[in-house]
Amino acid sequence: AQSVSQHNHHVILSEAASLELGCNYSYGGTVNLFWYVQYPGQHLQLLLKYFSGDPLVKGIKGFEAEFIKSKFSFNLRKPSVQWSDTAEYFCAVNDQGAQKLVFGQGTRLTINP
Amino acid sequence: GAVVSQHPSWVICKSGTSVKIECRSLDFQATTMFWYRQFPKQSLMLMATSNEGSKATYEQGVEKDKFLINHASLTLSTLTVTSAHPEDSSFYICSAPNWPYEQYFGPGTRLTVT
Repeated sequence: AQSVSQHNHHVILSEAASLELGCNYSYGGTVNLFWYVQYPGQHLQLLLKYFSGDPLVKGIKGFEAEFIKSKFSFNLRKPSVQWSDTAEYFCAVNDQGAQKLVFGQGTRLTINP
Repeated sequence: GAVVSQHPSWVICKSGTSVKIECRSLDFQATTMFWYRQFPKQSLMLMATSNEGSKATYEQGVEKDKFLINHASLTLSTLTVTSAHPEDSSFYICSAPNWPYEQYFGPGTRLTVT
C-alpha cells in the first residue's frame, strides 16, 4: 500500500527565512504528487501538483516543489516565507489511474513576524 | 475554480442518534466523491469512496454500517453517522475530483457527540 511521510511535524520560522518541507512516498509505480495547504479555519487548497514533465513544479504564492524520483521525494520549498504562510501543509499522492489520495501526516508551519 | 460545499459546518448530537452530512459539488458533476476524517492536529484519513449509482467503497477498518454513504446524484453525496458515540467526534471532509486527478475539498463538518 502507498504511504506518505512528512518528517517535519512542526516547523517554526521567522519571516523572510527560507522553507523546505520534506515529503517521501513509498510506491513503485507512476504517481501524481500534490501539496495542499490548510489555513486556520479554512478548507484544503491545492498549492501545486506534479503529473509528469519538468520535475520542478511552481505553485501559487511563491511555492515550488521538486520531484526526485530516485529518492521518492517531493519536497516543498519557498525562498522567503511570510507570516501569512502560517498553516498546515499536507503532501499527498495518488497512483496514476486512480483518484483517491493518500495524505502525509501534515506539517504545521508557524511563521513568527 | 471548482467549489465543493458541505452542510452543516458544525453539528452537535447526543450519543445514540444519527447525523447526516451533505457534500455538494456546486459547479461541476462528480460521479465519485471521497469522504475523509481528520482528527485534531492529524492528517486526513480516507474513509470511503462514494460512487454515483452504486455502492460506496470503504477503506479497511471503516464500519460500513456505521458510516452510511449515499451518492444520490451527480452533485450530492451524503454521509450518515449512525448511532453516534463520542469517539465519532471528528472533522469530516469530502472531496470531489474535477478531471482528471485534481480534487476539490469541502470546508469540512465538525461533529461533536455528547
